[in-house]
Amino acid sequence: NAGVTQTPKFRVLKTGQSMTLLCAQDMNHEYMYWYRQDPGMGLRLIHYSVGEGTTAKGEVPDGYNVSRLKKQNFLLGLESAAPSQTSVYFCASSKDRVRFLYEQYFGPGTRLTVT
Amino acid sequence: AQKVTQAQTEISVVEKEDVTLDCVYETRDTTYYLFWYKQPPSGELVFLIRRNSFDEQNEISGRYSWNFQKSTSSFNFTITASQVVDSAVYFCALSVGFASGSRLTFGEGTQLTVNP
Repeated sequence: NAGVTQTPKFRVLKTGQSMTLLCAQDMNHEYMYWYRQDPGMGLRLIHYSVGEGTTAKGEVPDGYNVSRLKKQNFLLGLESAAPSQTSVYFCASSKDRVRFLYEQYFGPGTRLTVT
Repeated sequence: AQKVTQAQTEISVVEKEDVTLDCVYETRDTTYYLFWYKQPPSGELVFLIRRNSFDEQNEISGRYSWNFQKSTSSFNFTITASQVVDSAVYFCALSVGFASGSRLTFGEGTQLTVNP
């Protein structure tokens, strides 16, 4: 099992450019999440999905879009990158179901710099 | 709204010392889960423990132990006989919202440095 993988590991964008971050999990988890980690702020939830074809906003969704067309993949898109989106992005998945919560398994992270 | 406070931004100890990382949480929900994650210098996040709000038993796993006290809304983490490999950022996290997934609220993290 690879667990949770993220592509790419590093990326540098110019302001206004767009890109997509790919997250894949091979644990058959229903729930998937995107977080961003900034210095001194812990991790903050951007968007999440409770199943294939569903997405929902988290704490800091502005400037990002997501899609979950396949159960194993969760894509995070930046339509027009801004320097404020410079961060480390983590994807996670869990086997949660209603009223039962489990630990989240995290990917290795993507370090994004917007200049 | 949920909130997790880790008041200790950085802690530095000498190897073999015991160290406690504090975590205080806020929520109005009566059912919730608490977690601790470790983030070593390599950057990945490693799950350490999950505890639900109905289980106040303390837990010990090797050199790690956790003290959950609902009366003070705290979920503290102690490392006994610390080792250099324990150096990492440790995050406490809280989760509620069961109908729509485990929406973790993280604390800001505590950077632990264990010196030889």
